[in-house]
Amino acid sequence: DAGVTQSPTHLIKTRGQQVTLRCSPKSGHDTVSWYQQALGQGPQFIFQYYEEEERQRGNFPDRFSGHQFPNYSSELNVNALLLGDSALYLCASSQGHRQETQYFGPGTRLLVL
Amino acid sequence: EDQVTQSPEALRLQEGESSSLNCSYTVSGLRGLFWYRQDPGKGPEFLFTLYSAGEEKEKERLKATLTKKESFLHITAPKPEDSATYLCAVLSRPSFSSGSARQLTFGSGTQLTVLP
Repeated sequence: DAGVTQSPTHLIKTRGQQVTLRCSPKSGHDTVSWYQQALGQGPQFIFQYYEEEERQRGNFPDRFSGHQFPNYSSELNVNALLLGDSALYLCASSQGHRQETQYFGPGTRLLVL
Repeated sequence: EDQVTQSPEALRLQEGESSSLNCSYTVSGLRGLFWYRQDPGKGPEFLFTLYSAGEEKEKERLKATLTKKESFLHITAPKPEDSATYLCAVLSRPSFSSGSARQLTFGSGTQLTVLP
C-alpha cells in the first residue's frame, strides 16, 4: 500500500523565484493538506484541498497557492520566494475532509538563498 | 485560537529509564488529539489518536493518555531506536468561520534521546 509521496525531496531556489511542490495522497484518500515546518518547530497548517477546492487556509499570504487534480494529487506553489520560506514542506492526506487522522509524506526540503 | 504546548523541549534518557512527555492544550471543543513521531529530515509518523478524557492507547513501549487539559505519552523501558521528536497535535470542532474543514494545530515537539 503506497503511502503519501512528495516530490522533489530537496530544492534550492533564489529569492524572488517561484517553486512548485507535488504530492500524491495515500491510496484511498481524497483530501490533501499542506504544512510548513521550520527547523525546531512543529508543522504549521497552510491549506487543505478536498474535491479540487481549497476548503480552509491557515495564516499564510497569497503567495502560497495550491491546486488539487481529479486524481486527488496536489500541488503547492509559492511565488516571490523569501529567505524565510526555507523550510520542510509536508503534505498530509486523509479520507474525506471530515476524517481526522492525517498521514504525512516525507516532505520537500526547500532552501531559499 | 487553538494552542498546544509540549514539555520538556528535550529529554535525554538512559536505555530502560521510563519517563513521560507532556502535551497541554487549549481548544474550543476537542475533536481529537494526535501523537506523531518524527525522525530527522522525515515526515511525521502517526502513532495515536485520542478522542475523550480518560481514553488510553498503547503501542509497544508507548502509552498515550488524555485528560481535559493535557495528554501524556509514557515511554516504558525505552530503547535507542525510540530516539526521535514526538509531536502532539489537536483538532478542534469546526466553527462558523472554519466551515467543516479540519486543520491540525501542532506543538513544537519534544526531542527524545535514548542513550545505550
